[in-house]
Amino acid sequence: EAQVTQNPRYLITVTGKKLTVTCSQNMNHEYMSWYRQDPGLGLRQIYYSMNVEVTDKGDVPEGYKVSRKEKRNFPLILESPSPNQTSLYFCASSQQGNYGYTFGSGTRLTVV
Amino acid sequence: AQSVTQPDIHITVSEGASLELRCNYSYGATPYLFWYVQSPGQGLQLLLKYFSGDTLVQGIKGFEAEFKRSQSSFNLRKPSVHWSDAAEYFCAAYSGTYKYIFGTGTRLKVLA
Repeated sequence: EAQVTQNPRYLITVTGKKLTVTCSQNMNHEYMSWYRQDPGLGLRQIYYSMNVEVTDKGDVPEGYKVSRKEKRNFPLILESPSPNQTSLYFCASSQQGNYGYTFGSGTRLTVV
Repeated sequence: AQSVTQPDIHITVSEGASLELRCNYSYGATPYLFWYVQSPGQGLQLLLKYFSGDTLVQGIKGFEAEFKRSQSSFNLRKPSVHWSDAAEYFCAAYSGTYKYIFGTGTRLKVLA
């Protein structure tokens, strides 16, 4: 089944403790992206990647890092999480940017 | 600035009634336009997309959307709503620069 898999689905952590949210797609898509979803704000792009080793900042990149060492994987790294990063995170992929996304099921992160 | 606006935060309709969700965009040129649906606890699913050509596009689950350049709108419609359509709906635009912009969403409630 074609899908984007995120792990974990739920995560509660403490301020400052580094964490990684994994994202993997099995559709050989070139384009991958991370979003955060907050009430009243919709989805905001954190980072995106056009291909292996090619990444760029979205609209809200502060406090996040990404890497794209393999085509299928696009992990999101929070080096020092803070409570304002409590949010619902989505990974998405697309064959090309204008084809529309396939989204993962989301990761609900709480930073206390 | 480029933007996507969904004027209605909440909409309530009776089962069997028709539905129209509004979306307006602000771009220098006609972007690629999309509608996504998010069921509770799930990721977003692509309903339909508009690239060019016929301004009335058909999607999955009986939805359709009409692109109106003169009004900068891309409204989503369904002739008869089912209880399972209760969800949050997002309009999105892609400008060709590897960035999507999402609206803030419209939450649909369906009355039995």
